[in-house]
Amino acid sequence: AQSVSQHNHHVILSEAASLELGCNYSYGGTVNLFWYVQYPGQHLQLLLKYFSGDPLVKGIKGFEAEFIKSKFSFNLRKPSVQWSDTAEYFCAVTDLGQGGKLIFGQGTELSVKP
Amino acid sequence: SAVISQKPSRDICQRGTSLTIQCQVDSQVTMMFWYRQQPGQSLTLIATANQGSEATYESGFVIDKFPISRPNLTFSTLTVSNMSPEDSSIYLCSVSPAGGLGFTDTQYFGPGTRLTVL
Repeated sequence: AQSVSQHNHHVILSEAASLELGCNYSYGGTVNLFWYVQYPGQHLQLLLKYFSGDPLVKGIKGFEAEFIKSKFSFNLRKPSVQWSDTAEYFCAVTDLGQGGKLIFGQGTELSVKP
Repeated sequence: SAVISQKPSRDICQRGTSLTIQCQVDSQVTMMFWYRQQPGQSLTLIATANQGSEATYESGFVIDKFPISRPNLTFSTLTVSNMSPEDSSIYLCSVSPAGGLGFTDTQYFGPGTRLTVL
C-alpha cells in the first residue's frame, strides 16, 4: 500500500540545535510534497511545499526541505530551532498518477527546551 | 490561502446520537475534503465533497455513517451518525482553492472539531 513514513515519533531538542525530520514515501510516480505544522492549540498550517523545480524548497520561519527523488525522501530541516517551534510536524504526499489523494505521515512531535 | 471556519469547535456527545459539523470557507472552492484525526494518529481522508454531486468516500468510510452535504461552493457539512466512543476524534475540513485542481494543489485546513463520544 502507498504510504508516507516519518521516522521520528518524538524529537526533543534544545534551543539553537539543528533539526532534521525524516520523511519517506512509497509512490513511484510524480508526487507533490508538503510539510504541515500544528502548533499547540492551533490548526494545521502549511509550512512548505514542493511541486517541481529546485528540489530544495524554503518555507516559513526558516524551515527548508530537500526532495531527493532517488531516495523517495523529503526531509525537513532548520539550522537553529527555537522554543516556538515546539509543534507537531506532518509530512504529506499526493501521488498525481493515482488520483492524487493527500496521504499524511504519522507526524513527529517536536519539543524544544528553552 | 483560504480562511476556513468550523462549528462546533468541540462537543461531547452520547453514544447513539448524531452530530453535524459545519465548514465555511471565505471564498468559492470546487473541492472540499473531510478528514479524521484519531487520538495520537495522523490524518485520514474520509471523503471528498464536490458541489452538486455526491461525495466520494474513501475505503472504510460509508455514506450512512458519515453523510456529507455540499449545497454551495463555500459550505459543507459532515454528520457523524449513530456515534460510538470509537468515533472520538478531531474532524477537519480542508479546501483546495486554486481553480478546482483539487488534489493536485495545496490544501488548507480548518481548525477542526474535537468530538468526544461517551
